[in-house]
Amino acid sequence: KNEVEQSPQNLTAQEGEFITINCSYSVGISALHWLQQHPGGGIVSLFMLSSGKKKHGRLIATINIQEKHSSLHITASHPRDSAVYICAVPGGGADGLTFGKGTHLIIQP
Amino acid sequence: GAVVSQHPSRVICKSGTSVKIECRSLDFQATTMFWYRQFPKKSLMLMATSNEGSKATYEQGVEKDKFLINHASLTLSTLTVTSAHPEDSSFYICSADSSREGRGDEQFFGPGTRLTVL
Repeated sequence: KNEVEQSPQNLTAQEGEFITINCSYSVGISALHWLQQHPGGGIVSLFMLSSGKKKHGRLIATINIQEKHSSLHITASHPRDSAVYICAVPGGGADGLTFGKGTHLIIQP
Repeated sequence: GAVVSQHPSRVICKSGTSVKIECRSLDFQATTMFWYRQFPKKSLMLMATSNEGSKATYEQGVEKDKFLINHASLTLSTLTVTSAHPEDSSFYICSADSSREGRGDEQFFGPGTRLTVL
């Protein structure tokens, strides 16, 4: 089973700061997911990536397959970015996902 | 983009009753759907893998007789919590795999259903 570690667990930053959230996993994968979960619980899939880098608006996700590591970056952070960010990889049994514990991000105005 | 819906979004029921949660892929066909559960302040945990036309595969510790899964079509999977008890109160989320092989690589998540059992 894949072990997923995220850091930091909690992060509070000021509006405008550059944010980095890290994820490492133990077993080689075909794709990694970055998810965003808002206080109401709803989950939004931000990225699904298997190599290199993806960018969507102010969000950037990178992955290093050899090092089994991925990062999620938020540029020019805004209070509306406040949420829990979750990294997930295949390996939760029958190709379901195994999730990291999440990073609770708070962006203060 | 791929959209997955869940219904209902929120349900409150009495102990002992059964609750059905629907998960639909709206603009793609999904041979594989996944059901996850999240307890307060805990990580999402996979409950079962739902395959169209066949029996679901349950994770260890998940009672298949309590959590009935039916994947009757390529766009619909249902999770029925039978004889619900307060400890079943949780946030249930489904995802649908858009890849043809059903590898789990291309999962899109539903918005979740918050179940409260009184």
